Amino acid sequence: EDQVTQSPEALRLQEGESSSLNCSYTVSGLRGLFWYRQDPGKGPEFLFTLYSAGEEKEKERLKATLTKKESFLHITAPKPEDSATYLCAVQQGGGADGLTFGKGTHLIIQP
Amino acid sequence: EAQVTQNPRYLITVTGKKLTVTCSQNMNHEYMSWYRQDPGLGLRQIYYSMNVEVTDKGDVPEGYKVSRKEKRNFPLILESPSPNQTSLYFCASAFDRTADIQYFGAGTRLSVL
Repeated sequence: EDQVTQSPEALRLQEGESSSLNCSYTVSGLRGLFWYRQDPGKGPEFLFTLYSAGEEKEKERLKATLTKKESFLHITAPKPEDSATYLCAVQQGGGADGLTFGKGTHLIIQP
Repeated sequence: EAQVTQNPRYLITVTGKKLTVTCSQNMNHEYMSWYRQDPGLGLRQIYYSMNVEVTDKGDVPEGYKVSRKEKRNFPLILESPSPNQTSLYFCASAFDRTADIQYFGAGTRLSVL
């Protein structure tokens, strides 16, 4: 039973074409939701942590938002260097400190 | 330079031959974790540790062992590897149990024949 579902699995955009990636989750007692970026052949790299519904965080062309059921990673006017796999993960509180990752969205930005 | 170091980066072994993948971090982090990444299945947590001598199972712990005798090291042990453990493995560390900002190693690609 998936606790974290990311969509779409893959997304191809033209440079400058804004879009959003979705991460829906079903855990109760969410402690934190995390976004990571992974380039081919490398380990994931931290982007954002969101803790409560309504929270938003921004970094360059990326903006992450959180509701009680899902998170969005908005990409504004993307560039080819934004091409990567974007991973979402959740940590359930209440003493269970493991993390559950989604399967990721593979994003390709074409020049 | 702050980093998480895994060794080896690549490993080919045979079924049943015990192996250890080492992981070391130089950031004095309390939280360390092991993941495996497989096509179509994503990144799955194997074990994690919130501090020295404290370890907990993640989502896929079967066939793996870990130990945390020192704060900086968190080795992953496969006592009797099987072909279904062929995967890409990542070690990660974070400041504390909130796991905010995990730093990942470069990965270990393991093939079990």
